Amino acid sequence: DAGVIQSPRHEVTEMGQEVTLRCKPISGHNSLFWYRQTMMRGLELLIYFNNNVPIDDSGMPEDRFSAKMPNASFSTLKIQPSEPRDSAVYFCASSFELAGNEQFFGPGTRLTVL
Amino acid sequence: DQQVKQNSPSLSVQEGRISILNCDYTNSMFDYFLWYKKYPAEGPTFLISISSIKDKNEDGRFTVFLNKSAKHLSLHIVPSQPGDSAVYFCAGSGTYKYIFGTGTRLKVLA
Repeated sequence: DAGVIQSPRHEVTEMGQEVTLRCKPISGHNSLFWYRQTMMRGLELLIYFNNNVPIDDSGMPEDRFSAKMPNASFSTLKIQPSEPRDSAVYFCASSFELAGNEQFFGPGTRLTVL
Repeated sequence: DQQVKQNSPSLSVQEGRISILNCDYTNSMFDYFLWYKKYPAEGPTFLISISSIKDKNEDGRFTVFLNKSAKHLSLHIVPSQPGDSAVYFCAGSGTYKYIFGTGTRLKVLA
C-alpha cells in the first residue's frame, strides 16, 4: 500500500484565496483525521471522520474551515478565505476503527498564506 | 488548555548515551499514551505506546515509562543513534482522539 497520500505537498497562496487540501487514506481504513501542526500548539486535531461521517469537528478553528469526505477513499479540507495565520503544515491520518489503533499519517501539506 | 505538555522543545545527546524525553498530561481519562517520531518533510510515524494500566513498555532500544500519580511519562532511548534525530511527539488517547504535545526535537551528536 502507498500509505496516506496528500496533495499538494506545498501550497503558497495569497490572503483571501480559497485553498483546498486533499487526502487519500489507506485502503480499508474507516477513520480519517485532519491535523494542523504549528510551533506553538504542536499537532492539533481539526476534524475526525468515521465511515465517511464527521464525528467531531470541534477543533476546526472557525467557519472559514470546512472538510468533506464524499467517499471512503477521499477527503478534502478547504479554507475560504485563507489568512496568513492559517500558514502551517496540515496532516491527514487514517486508522482502522477507533481508540487504541495506530494512526498512519500522510506526508503533510505545507501551506503558506502571504 | 494544553492537556499534553512537552516542556523541553529541544534536547541534544551524544551518540551511545541515553536520551530521555518527557511528557506531562492533565487528563486522567486517557487510556493510552503514544510516542510518534517525525523526520523533516515527513508525517509522524508511530514509535511505541503504553496502556494506562501499565507502568512500563519496552521495544528494543525504546522504553516508555508511565507514572500515573505524577501524570508523567517519559521515553528512554538507549543507546541513542544519529538516526534517532527527529521531533518526538507524545500523545494521550481517549475514546478516539489523540491529544498531542508540541514535540521535542532530539539531536543525537555523532
